[in-house]
Amino acid sequence: QITLKESGPALVKPTQTLTLTCTLSGFSLSNNGMRVSWIRLSPGKALEWLARIDWDDDKYYSPALKTRLTVSKDNSNTQVFLTMTNVDPVDTGTYYCARASRYGDLDFWGQGTRVTVSS
Amino acid sequence: DIQMTQSPSSLSASVGDRVTITCRTSQTINNYLNWYQQKPGKAPSLLIYTVSTLGSGVPSRFIGSGSGTDFTLTINNVQPEDFATYYCQHSFYTPYTFGQGTKLEIK
Repeated sequence: QITLKESGPALVKPTQTLTLTCTLSGFSLSNNGMRVSWIRLSPGKALEWLARIDWDDDKYYSPALKTRLTVSKDNSNTQVFLTMTNVDPVDTGTYYCARASRYGDLDFWGQGTRVTVSS
Repeated sequence: DIQMTQSPSSLSASVGDRVTITCRTSQTINNYLNWYQQKPGKAPSLLIYTVSTLGSGVPSRFIGSGSGTDFTLTINNVQPEDFATYYCQHSFYTPYTFGQGTKLEIK
């Protein structure tokens, strides 16, 4: 059974760095072709694709957020991390990780973790 | 980046209706077009990938079609559980942009 689960702080202050963790189960990011993306949903807005990390450690970012985002994985290939620097209240929202199939569609999603940026 | 133009932004329908949502891309995407359903407080779920292939467990009343830069999601015989927000997304190359969403509401 494939599952993903996000975790991280519920509240961060403006200008701080946010780090989120996505814990994978039922598959490993070490397997050829595996990819994990991060997506967020901010209040009143649409889904926004943020970043992707691949089994071979290739990384891709949203151009709008590239300077603030870092995606990485642990040595066991069962956790994926998203770091966002210099957060702002506009970064408030629910952050999801999802597995990307070989076609790029996001076939399994985590439940999401809600993040509020406020002083 | 590839721009996604999804319409309408909202739609009212009754149970049993047929509804259509459209998605236009700013360039051709080699059929790497996906659709998702999201209900309030829940994660999105994959409905259709590569234009017309149903995701696992998705009912056959959901139909995806289109080519080139114009794509459509049709829901036949809308059911109560279908009232949700729908998003298109391309996966041709990163960034994988989403459409603005269509909220399907009960008439």
